Amino acid sequence: EVQLLESGGGLVQPGGSLRLSCAASGFTFNNYAMTWVRQAPGKGLEWVSSVSSSGASTDYADSVKGRFTISRDNSKNTLYLQMNSLRADDTAVYYCARQYYWGQGTLVTVSS
Amino acid sequence: IVMTQSPATLSVSPGERATLSCGASQSVSSNLAWYQQKPGQAPRLLIYGASTRATGIPDRFSGSGSGTEFTLTISSLQSEDFAVYYCQQYNNWATWTFGQGTKVEIK
Repeated sequence: EVQLLESGGGLVQPGGSLRLSCAASGFTFNNYAMTWVRQAPGKGLEWVSSVSSSGASTDYADSVKGRFTISRDNSKNTLYLQMNSLRADDTAVYYCARQYYWGQGTLVTVSS
Repeated sequence: IVMTQSPATLSVSPGERATLSCGASQSVSSNLAWYQQKPGQAPRLLIYGASTRATGIPDRFSGSGSGTEFTLTISSLQSEDFAVYYCQQYNNWATWTFGQGTKVEIK
């Protein structure tokens, strides 16, 4: 059974940093591209970033480019999202996703 | 690629048919998925490849279309189907785009 378990969310001040993790199981992790999607309170779904199966290729939404970094450790079956220079509008539930499979999400709140 | 869903809200009585639309600003072939989301829950995959039901999805849910125009049909709405529905294109492996969602509410 495919499982994706996010962690690392929490309350952070504007300008601060946070690193999200996503532990994957139930599939061959290094065969799949992985993605982060977020959802602000009461809003729709927004693609954030994707990384190729090897980690060599990445892409970012314009809203996070230059502030967020996606990476993966295929030896640990884990996906990461390093978030720097956080702003209030980054407040959201962050989901880790593989094609057709999603985790349950972790809440990031940016507030003073 | 911009995805546009209509209507924003759909009011339907239980047992009735619901038809949700999703348009793409350029062709996404059949690389289109539909998700259902209830409050406090993660999105749940309903349809992928524009028309293939995901595992465990009842056959009252069906998807159609290709290129730029897609439809999700719920043939006979059950109480558990009242939720928000999103379409998503994945024509490019790296960049996903979602529609703004259609809320299906009880009439």
